[in-house]
Amino acid sequence: SQQGEEDPQALSIQEGENATMNCSYKTSINNLQWYRQNSGRGLVHLILIRSNEREKHSGRLRVTLDTSKKSSSLLITASRAADTASYFCATDAIQRAAGGTSYGKLTFGQGTILTVHP
Amino acid sequence: DAGVIQSPRHEVTEMGQEVTLRCKLISGHNSLFWYRQTMMRGLELLIYFNNNVPIDDSGMPEDRFSAKMPNASFSTLKIQPSEPRDSAVYFCASTVNEYLNTDTQYFGPGTRLTVL
Repeated sequence: SQQGEEDPQALSIQEGENATMNCSYKTSINNLQWYRQNSGRGLVHLILIRSNEREKHSGRLRVTLDTSKKSSSLLITASRAADTASYFCATDAIQRAAGGTSYGKLTFGQGTILTVHP
Repeated sequence: DAGVIQSPRHEVTEMGQEVTLRCKLISGHNSLFWYRQTMMRGLELLIYFNNNVPIDDSGMPEDRFSAKMPNASFSTLKIQPSEPRDSAVYFCASTVNEYLNTDTQYFGPGTRLTVL
């Protein structure tokens, strides 16, 4: 089942505005990560927040995590046209392989398409 | 650091042909992931290797797909025979992974596969 689900699916804003994207998940996690993907490119890691953290900042990015609600948000402040991309949340949760080995597995959501108009 | 390297970047082939995608990990990384991305299904994990050993291959669609790590820095994903529904962008990603925690993954640029 899909672990991370993002909302909204698409977001269109003007340059200078803030953009907020939300992610909900279903099971306990080790950490939650946000990635960005420009059209035709690979995913690029933005920020990681661990399950015992509530908020994290990196430049114009602010991520919050509410483990009681199993949700996270990514806020991009003072957006720029160059922020136009797809944004994915990914949850790291413990899985058990067929042989009994436990390991962390990253599961990606469907993504939010952000368009920032100049 | 060159980052994760994938080849080819684009592949167009005919149904029934064998396709081999290649990936070189970042030096020092011990975990490798193969993903497939389509509009319909999003980003799907196909297989995960840790220290050259396949840990989770539950995402491999069927027996036509196989993946190997002949050494610590290189992996191949093979589709034989290929079908039009295999058309997608295939990414590999690498990281330094402790078994019970997945940290930042570094993605390659992807291989866009088109099966006619």
